[in-house]
Amino acid sequence: DSGVTQTPKHLITATGQRVTLRCSPRSGDLSVYWYQQSLDQGLQFLIQYYNGEERAKGNILERFSAQQFPDLHSELNLSSLELGDSALYFCASSVGAKNIQYFGAGTRLSVL
Amino acid sequence: DAKTTQPNSMESNEEEPVHLPCNHSTISGTDYIHWYRQLPSQGPEYVIHGLTSNVNNRMASLAIAEDRKSSTLILHRATLRDAAVYYCILQPYNQGGKLIFGQGTELSVKP
Repeated sequence: DSGVTQTPKHLITATGQRVTLRCSPRSGDLSVYWYQQSLDQGLQFLIQYYNGEERAKGNILERFSAQQFPDLHSELNLSSLELGDSALYFCASSVGAKNIQYFGAGTRLSVL
Repeated sequence: DAKTTQPNSMESNEEEPVHLPCNHSTISGTDYIHWYRQLPSQGPEYVIHGLTSNVNNRMASLAIAEDRKSSTLILHRATLRDAAVYYCILQPYNQGGKLIFGQGTELSVKP
């Protein structure tokens, strides 16, 4: 158990819908990262927050947004969902902005 | 972002050492070399990282070439639990903590 909690574990929704994925980092970790893993693209970095502020951005679509709250948990919002958004979404956390990352078990999103 | 090249797959026998190679010829002087692995149906897991010197921890050893253009992850005695996809990743010093994953090496371990 990495100490990073992601909910829900599975999510099934329809095209055009909006969903929110939640991540609780390890106790004491200030950084939260979001990654997407799909069969064709592999593991891709989406975005990083450090102590509530955006720190680094990857190839995150405009339809996707994230935030980190004062209690340090983070949410990834995916809107206007398309079939191609079906993937595993991982959250990771680290103590600082560049330390070892601990990954959660992921949320499997299926867009039908 | 600097790129890494790894073999797609490797096989090992249980209880034998495994050497997983990684080429990163475009590495810059401040890029850290990280290794993560992903066991089936799990999130990635940190293995080891280094900058210039060889590193050892309880899971593995990391051997870094003198010119830093390649590195090797060494599992001293492979177990069936080590069957996973191993990712060699360069982490730029000045771009936050993002990890850019490549395709990785799928390691299978035979009993």
